Amino acid sequence: AQKVTQAQTEISVVEKEDVTLDCVYETRDTTYYLFWYKQPPSGELVFLIRRNSFDEQNEISGRYSWNFQKSTSSFNFTITASQVVDSAVYFCALIKGDSSASKIIFGSGTRLSIRP
Amino acid sequence: DGGITQSPKYLFRKEGQNVTLSCEQNLNHDAMYWYRQDPGQGLRLIYYSQIVNDFQKGDIAEGYSVSREKKESFPLTVTSAQKNPTAFYLCASSIGGLLIGTDTQYFGPGTRLTVL
Repeated sequence: AQKVTQAQTEISVVEKEDVTLDCVYETRDTTYYLFWYKQPPSGELVFLIRRNSFDEQNEISGRYSWNFQKSTSSFNFTITASQVVDSAVYFCALIKGDSSASKIIFGSGTRLSIRP
Repeated sequence: DGGITQSPKYLFRKEGQNVTLSCEQNLNHDAMYWYRQDPGQGLRLIYYSQIVNDFQKGDIAEGYSVSREKKESFPLTVTSAQKNPTAFYLCASSIGGLLIGTDTQYFGPGTRLTVL
């Protein structure tokens, strides 16, 4: 069975602090894809990143960085020098490599609040 | 601008009434999806469609129906058989085709349905 766990329900930090959102996944597939989405108060899910299971290189995009470690089944997301606009709910998600089911499994989300 | 539109943003209905939520995309995507989000929870898949005139049940299809008569449109009907319909509904689309199942899903702004 596949599962995505985001153990941090809510995180609150002061602006300019760095913050890491944890994501742990379970899957028996050797080929799979991992995603992070941002859901601001407006409700729309915004796609942030997609990684496949064969690419363990960390990725940096501006203030955002992702640490993918297959050994610990984790795909953590770090925001450096956080800003108030980063306040949102963040979802980690997993999709299996075969295309039969077309089902993406979401974690329950982490609500991030950045205080001025 | 390419994107996904959902209407209306807020919808109220009386118990026992059917209601249809609209989802339109102009991204030329083959695949479309409907999700339900309850407070403090992740997304759950209701229905998905890989191609016109075809759709599949997701994890929580009971009490819902869909149609896919056009590539651009994937309306969701919440029927009176749905026991607890109050929720936030998100529509998504993805390229599909040979990538179906592993391609990135892009989301609309959502419709918040409240049953009075």
